[in-house]
Amino acid sequence: EVQLVQSGAEVKKPGESLKISCKASGYRFSTYWIAWVRQMPGKGLEWMGIIYPDDSDTRYSPSFQGLVTISADKSTRAAYLQWNSLRASDTAIYYCARSLYYDSSPQSPWDYWGRGTLVTVSS
Amino acid sequence: EIVLTQSPGTLSLSPGERATLSCRPSQNIDSIYLAWYQQKPGQAPRLLIYGGSTRATGIPDRFSGSGSGTDFTLTINRLEPEDFAVYYCQQYGTSPFTFGPGTKVDIK
Repeated sequence: EVQLVQSGAEVKKPGESLKISCKASGYRFSTYWIAWVRQMPGKGLEWMGIIYPDDSDTRYSPSFQGLVTISADKSTRAAYLQWNSLRASDTAIYYCARSLYYDSSPQSPWDYWGRGTLVTVSS
Repeated sequence: EIVLTQSPGTLSLSPGERATLSCRPSQNIDSIYLAWYQQKPGQAPRLLIYGGSTRATGIPDRFSGSGSGTDFTLTINRLEPEDFAVYYCQQYGTSPFTFGPGTKVDIK
């Protein structure tokens, strides 16, 4: 059974750093893309970026380039989303999702989703 | 960046009725790169349709997708109580793989 298990909710202060995780099981981790999607409170879905764990090929939305870092570790079958300096506007639920297709092209819909990690940034 | 416009913002219908949701990309996209997702409160999105018209695994056949170019439609025939949710379209042909703002289908 494919599962994406995300790390628990976080409460942070502005300026702090954070790394959240998405641990995959039930499939060959390295050959499916993992996406990160943001959902701010009461708002829609925003595509942040994707990573191909096999070679760590990473693509970012221009809206998030330079603001976050996406990484993956094949040995632990986990993908990560990291901030060096959080802002209040980073308060949101962050979802990871797996590509439907298992190849090196990122052009894929996303069929398995984690339950989301709520990140709250407040002074 | 391809912008997706969804309409209407909210659709108020009764169980058993048909829902017709629109998604209009700001530029032509190949239908093979258009997906629809359903999201219920407190839940992650669920893939419904991909490739413009292919139902994902386990999706009932009352859900159907159609369209091409800059005009795509998600149709839900005979709404069931569990279908009241927010629906998003997404294009995954050109990075960034943008989502539309969503259409909320609520109970009339």
